[in-house]
Amino acid sequence: QKEVEQDPGPLSVPEGAIVSLNCTYSNSAFQYFMWYRQYSRKGPELLMYTYSSGNKEDGRFTAQVDKSSKYISLFIRDSQPSDSATYLCAQAGGAQKLVFGQGTRLTINP
Amino acid sequence: DADVTQTPRNRITKTGKRIMLECSQTKGHDRMYWYRQDPGLGLQLIYYSFDVKDINKGEISDGYSVSRQAQAKFSLSLESAIPNQTALYFCATSTAGGDNEQFFGPGTRLTVL
Repeated sequence: QKEVEQDPGPLSVPEGAIVSLNCTYSNSAFQYFMWYRQYSRKGPELLMYTYSSGNKEDGRFTAQVDKSSKYISLFIRDSQPSDSATYLCAQAGGAQKLVFGQGTRLTINP
Repeated sequence: DADVTQTPRNRITKTGKRIMLECSQTKGHDRMYWYRQDPGLGLQLIYYSFDVKDINKGEISDGYSVSRQAQAKFSLSLESAIPNQTALYFCATSTAGGDNEQFFGPGTRLTVL
């Protein structure tokens, strides 16, 4: 079992929909989580990070961590075609290494 | 100019050939990483280096070797390429300490026939 699990999708939704992307993690020792966004033919770029439990909001994006269920989520409101990308969750582990989920490929249809 | 560059961007080679992928960065970061990305598997860490004299194996280092020629340069070698090493390879950098953010290069698409 991978330390960070993510449904690879693909996920396709209409423009304007609310998108929910989810990951689960198994190692509770590390409570720093990140979401990366990767456009086609590009390297991943950091979108948001959160520490421990709770929500963090940045514009149309909200990152959420639920320690009790070991669940991390990324919500996208008013989704746009430009949000079409692969989204990768990651947990910062020991020695500052990142453990990534499999990535979810998201398509927003105009 | 890009902060993290990778060469080549695409490479097709044959089984048994030696291949070197190169990474350079102008971000002044001490830490550098090599990942491979396969469909459905996400990013897997191959090797990482916290400075020129500190190189460590990641989760999938078998069949790979690395060289940290300078703070700004980190190369990945496949001594004898095999088809299941066909993948997208990314180099990344980060600062020591701080918030763990890693900055990725544009990737190298490697195909081993």
